[in-house]
Amino acid sequence: EAQVTQNPRYLITVTGKKLTVTCSQNMNHEYMSWYRQDPGLGLRQIYYSMNVEVTDKGDVPEGYKVSRKEKRNFPLILESPSPNQTSLYFCASRGGVGAFYGYTFGSGTRLTVV
Amino acid sequence: KQEVTQIPAALSVPEGENLVLNCSFTDSAIYNLQWFRQDPGKGLTSLLLIQSSQREQTSGRLNASLDKSSGRSTLYIAASQPGDSATYLCAVRPGTGANSKLTFGKGITLSVRP
Repeated sequence: EAQVTQNPRYLITVTGKKLTVTCSQNMNHEYMSWYRQDPGLGLRQIYYSMNVEVTDKGDVPEGYKVSRKEKRNFPLILESPSPNQTSLYFCASRGGVGAFYGYTFGSGTRLTVV
Repeated sequence: KQEVTQIPAALSVPEGENLVLNCSFTDSAIYNLQWFRQDPGKGLTSLLLIQSSQREQTSGRLNASLDKSSGRSTLYIAASQPGDSATYLCAVRPGTGANSKLTFGKGITLSVRP
């Protein structure tokens, strides 16, 4: 089944403790992206990657890092999490650049930073 | 800057009713528009994608239309069921820029009463 897989689904951590949220897709998509979803603010893009070793900032990149060493994986790294990073996080991928291509989203990671 | 609006924020209807969810966007230079469904605390499931050159797309009881020139899309749900209760988000993808990130509306939370 074609899908984007995120882990973990739920995570509670303490301020300052580094964490990684993994994202993997099995569709051979070149484009991948991370979004966060907050009440009243909707979905906002954090980082994106056009291909292996090519990453760039989205709208809200502060406090996050990403890497793209393999085509299928696009982990989101929080080096020193803070409570304002408590959110619902989504990884997404896209198969191409044309209008035919839509986005496939993962099931989400609910992160709580205390 | 693209803005996507979905009004009303919430809608409650009796089972069996046909309903229309509205989405409007300010910049007509889009590649495509996607409608997603989100169950509480869960991921985004793509329902329909309409390319900018298309007028509508259908999947089962769902029909989505696009009027790019007026900046509007509608999602029509026929014979609504309690299982249709969820939040429905529309998202537009711009026609320019390598990132071509999605801009989301805030969503319409639909409740279908048995």
